[in-house]
Amino acid sequence: EAQVTQNPRYLITVTGKKLTVTCSQNMNHEYMSWYRQDPGLGLRQIYYSMNVEVTDKGDVPEGYKVSRKEKRNFPLILESPSPNQTSLYFCASSLSEDSPLHFGNGTRLTVT
Amino acid sequence: RKEVEQDPGPFNVPEGATVAFNCTYSNSASQSFFWYRQDCRKEPKLLMSVYSSGNEDGRFTAQLNRASQYISLLIRDSKLSDSATYLCVVIPFSGGYNKLIFGAGTRLAVHP
Repeated sequence: EAQVTQNPRYLITVTGKKLTVTCSQNMNHEYMSWYRQDPGLGLRQIYYSMNVEVTDKGDVPEGYKVSRKEKRNFPLILESPSPNQTSLYFCASSLSEDSPLHFGNGTRLTVT
Repeated sequence: RKEVEQDPGPFNVPEGATVAFNCTYSNSASQSFFWYRQDCRKEPKLLMSVYSSGNEDGRFTAQLNRASQYISLLIRDSKLSDSATYLCVVIPFSGGYNKLIFGAGTRLAVHP
């Protein structure tokens, strides 16, 4: 089944404790991206990647890192999480630059 | 002014009703448009792309008005299962994957 898989689904952590949210897609998509969704703000792009080893900042990259060492994986790293990073996170992939996005099922992160 | 604006709703309609949502965008060079559906706390899923000539998929009709810079979604014969948030997505210009813009969503509640 074609899908984007994120883990974990739920994560509660404390300020400053490094964490990684994994994302993997099995559709051989070139493009992958991370979004956060907050009430009233809609989805905002954190980082995106157009191919292996090619990543760039989205609209809200501060406090986040990503890597794209393999085509299928695009982990999101929070080196030192803070409470304002409490949010619902989605990974997405796309066949091409203007094709529809396929989303993972989300990671709800709470930073206390 | 936000780049993509939607009425947050909620739109409360009875089963069988016809309901329409609009989404306005500010960048006249926008090239690609989509409607996504998002159920509570779940990932957004593509409902339909929006083509210049308008397009229909069952009970759903999407239209694009470039002159007035808005897209619309019409749902006929509403079902309880249509209750969700509908997200408008705009890609401002070709090659602008990093500029994908989401509206904050319009919430629809269909009641018996």
